[in-house]
Amino acid sequence: AQSVTQLGSHVSVSEGALVLLRCNYSSSVPPYLFWYVQYPNQGLQLLLKYTSAATLVKGINGFEAEFKKSETSFHLTKPSAHMSDAAEYFCAVSDPGAQKLVFGQGTRLTINP
Amino acid sequence: DAEITQSPRHKITETGRQVTLACHQTWNHNNMFWYRQDLGHGLRLIHYSYGVHDTNKGEVSDGYSVSRSNTEDLPLTLESAASSQTSVYFCASSDRPGQTVWGTGELFFGEGSRLTVL
Repeated sequence: AQSVTQLGSHVSVSEGALVLLRCNYSSSVPPYLFWYVQYPNQGLQLLLKYTSAATLVKGINGFEAEFKKSETSFHLTKPSAHMSDAAEYFCAVSDPGAQKLVFGQGTRLTINP
Repeated sequence: DAEITQSPRHKITETGRQVTLACHQTWNHNNMFWYRQDLGHGLRLIHYSYGVHDTNKGEVSDGYSVSRSNTEDLPLTLESAASSQTSVYFCASSDRPGQTVWGTGELFFGEGSRLTVL
């Protein structure tokens, strides 16, 4: 069965600092991997996705993630945090044949001025 | 533009009442899903459907039911609402992976329905 572990339910960084949100997955087949962002009182929207093409994936708002098969990781990074990045971030994995995503518990990102 | 809409966005009800949350998508997606979101639990899958007349139980399906009579709609019914069902509910849809060039199973979410059961 697939699973996702997001390390750290709450991450706090200063404005302008590096953002690193960790995600490790478990899957018996080459997975599809996703990062979603949820702003307060809104639904989730796709930030970026890995679907077996380039291992470094660039998303919206300056975020990127690197698929590392050897580490079963798909960590999300952004070089310089902005106040508008404050949100909840979810990592998700799917078996390409399963048509169903499995979500991590989420990481709340706080940006300090 | 294609979209996915949920209604009502906010609802307060009493224990024991039947409640139905609507979800309508105009993406023409085959797959539709209902999740609930609670602090400390992230997103948990309630029910899902891979097409008309198809429904499946997720990890937290007790007390909930769905039916899929057309492609666009997947209403979620709470047969007898309980306080433990106070939550924010999200509907989502996706295309079948591989069905289209860009179909990767990516989920498109509604804005959510906040349900309070008193």
